[in-house]
Amino acid sequence: DVKVTQSSRYLVKRTGEKVFLECVQDMDHENMFWYRQDPGLGLRLIYFSYDVKMKEKGDIPEGYSVSREKKERFSLILESASTNQTSMYLCASSPTGTSGTGFYFGPGTRLLVL
Amino acid sequence: AQKVTQAQTEISVVEKEDVTLDCVYETRDTTYYLFWYKQPPSGELVFLIRRNSFDEQNEISGRYSWNFQKSTSSFNFTITASQVVDSAVYFCALSEAGRDDKIIFGKGTRLHILP
Repeated sequence: DVKVTQSSRYLVKRTGEKVFLECVQDMDHENMFWYRQDPGLGLRLIYFSYDVKMKEKGDIPEGYSVSREKKERFSLILESASTNQTSMYLCASSPTGTSGTGFYFGPGTRLLVL
Repeated sequence: AQKVTQAQTEISVVEKEDVTLDCVYETRDTTYYLFWYKQPPSGELVFLIRRNSFDEQNEISGRYSWNFQKSTSSFNFTITASQVVDSAVYFCALSEAGRDDKIIFGKGTRLHILP
């Protein structure tokens, strides 16, 4: 079974803090993704990566950055957290060259920024 | 442009009733994939089904069935004899062949199964 894990299920941070959300997958997938999920807005893509040290902006990258130093790990960074970044963050992975296989999601991190 | 519309924001049915979740999509591609995911209260999205654009056969898996109709650009999901454990948010999604980064999600339908 594909396993995607995220470092925290719940996180509370203060405005202005630097926040790291970690995601690890164990199936040697090339592609990894970060989404945020908000009521009424569905899932929106923040960043994705096709390979180590490679990143691409998604639909809403502002206020975020990412890091992929190892194939299995994809980190989302909030440089200076703001209250409008309070959300559910979902990490996903998928293999390359098999489009349509589907994405495998982690359990999500609920982030509250005070 | 690609788009997925789930017009039903929230549905409530009594246990054992059948319920259909609607999904309408837009794409100019001839080769694409459609998906359904389930998100229970725990938060993790669970993959339910994938369909490619060349396969219009309906599929049944236990109490779940899917009706894919290219003529109406719809990929509807029916739960037969619903159970409380079916309560979740359900997402329909679309991706182009060869574009791993472009999976477009609908906004989801929250399904409440009342005991």
